Amino acid sequence: AQSVSQHNHHVILSEAASLELGCNYSYGGTVNLFWYVQYPGQHLQLLLKYFSGDPLVKGIKGFEAEFIKSKFSFNLRKPSVQWSDTAEYFCAVRGNTDKLIFGTGTRLQVFP
Amino acid sequence: GAGVSQTPSNKVTEKGKYVELRCDPISGHTALYWYRQSLGQGPEFLIYFQGTGAADDSGLPNDRFFAVRPEGSVSTLKIQRTERGDSAMYLCASSPDKYYGYTFGSGTRLTVV
Repeated sequence: AQSVSQHNHHVILSEAASLELGCNYSYGGTVNLFWYVQYPGQHLQLLLKYFSGDPLVKGIKGFEAEFIKSKFSFNLRKPSVQWSDTAEYFCAVRGNTDKLIFGTGTRLQVFP
Repeated sequence: GAGVSQTPSNKVTEKGKYVELRCDPISGHTALYWYRQSLGQGPEFLIYFQGTGAADDSGLPNDRFFAVRPEGSVSTLKIQRTERGDSAMYLCASSPDKYYGYTFGSGTRLTVV
């Protein structure tokens, strides 16, 4: 069965700090990978996705993620966070079924 | 519509009652998904429709939960004999097909008292 692990449950950063949120998945076949963000009081929004090709994927708002197949990882990065990046971030994987399996999320707090 | 619409946004019901939650997907999106999200957790898959048929209902927790999409557009999630443990945010998402990410609605917060 597919599963997703997000090891960082709560991350606190100051503005301009660099961000890396971990995501590991368990599935041996071809995967599609996603990062979603949920800002306070808002619905889930797609940040970026990987289907194939270049393993370094760029998304909205300066976020990027790198697919490392050998490590079953799809970590999310941003060089310099802003207060407005305060949100909950969810990694998701789709393997041989049509449904996305989500991780438990990482809550990011950015202080000015 | 421009996005996925879910109604009601909030629903409070008494234990044992029946509830219906509605999802209106983006026009033309053939795939529709229902998820449930509890506090501090990620969205948990319930059921997936491709057109009118339920392609995968493996996430429905028990036979009190049922969902329909009779015309391939609007979907209704139905919960019978609600229990306090059913309290959660119920999310609906739609997609043009399985090769895209989902667009989520704002959810229905269900509280069973």
